[in-house]
Amino acid sequence: TQLLEQSPQFLSIQEGENLTVYCNSSSVFSSLQWYRQEPGEGPVLLVTVVTGGEVKKLKRLTFQFGDARKDSSLHITAAQPGDTGLYLCAGAGGNNRLAFGKGNQVVVIP
Amino acid sequence: DTGVSQNPRHKITKRGQNVTFRCDPISEHNRLYWYRQTLGQGPEFLTYFQNEAQLEKSRLLSDRFSAERPKGSFSTLEIQRTEQGDSAMYLCASSPGWGPYNEKLFFGSGTQLSVL
Repeated sequence: TQLLEQSPQFLSIQEGENLTVYCNSSSVFSSLQWYRQEPGEGPVLLVTVVTGGEVKKLKRLTFQFGDARKDSSLHITAAQPGDTGLYLCAGAGGNNRLAFGKGNQVVVIP
Repeated sequence: DTGVSQNPRHKITKRGQNVTFRCDPISEHNRLYWYRQTLGQGPEFLTYFQNEAQLEKSRLLSDRFSAERPKGSFSTLEIQRTEQGDSAMYLCASSPGWGPYNEKLFFGSGTQLSVL
């Protein structure tokens, strides 16, 4: 089983602050995705990273894939209330399906 | 919008009853997945289809659970003799395939099941 651990589980910050959340595993993944989920809805794909060391930016969100392809981080600059949500990382290994972590619950206070 | 559609959005049932959920994936996607999510947890894999073939089932999927995708398009997930522990959000997702940059899922809004 490919276990993905996300930390911190819960993070509350003021609008305008920066934050970083992490996704770690002992397994190597061929790719890793980040999703955001809002209450009562399904997860929505934000980004896919494939190459070790890869950095992708999506507006104020910066995603990094570890050199060994075992971990990833998500950094949000100048967080906005609209960034509130559950951020899920999901890894693809050799078993033709994605395994999800438990998520990072982010709350941005206006 | 031709995203993934799930019905019903909410289902309340009594313990012991059978329930069936439907998922309509994005039309050109040949892979369809079912996941289950409980409060405070990430989605847990249940099963997936490549076209009409069910290729993998999780050990989480007891004999009371059955999924079908008869024509390789929509899918149904049936739970027989529901138990309170079945209460969860049941998520369906579709994917264009597998391989770098294709290992991404497009989720529906889910069916929230409450077993009383």
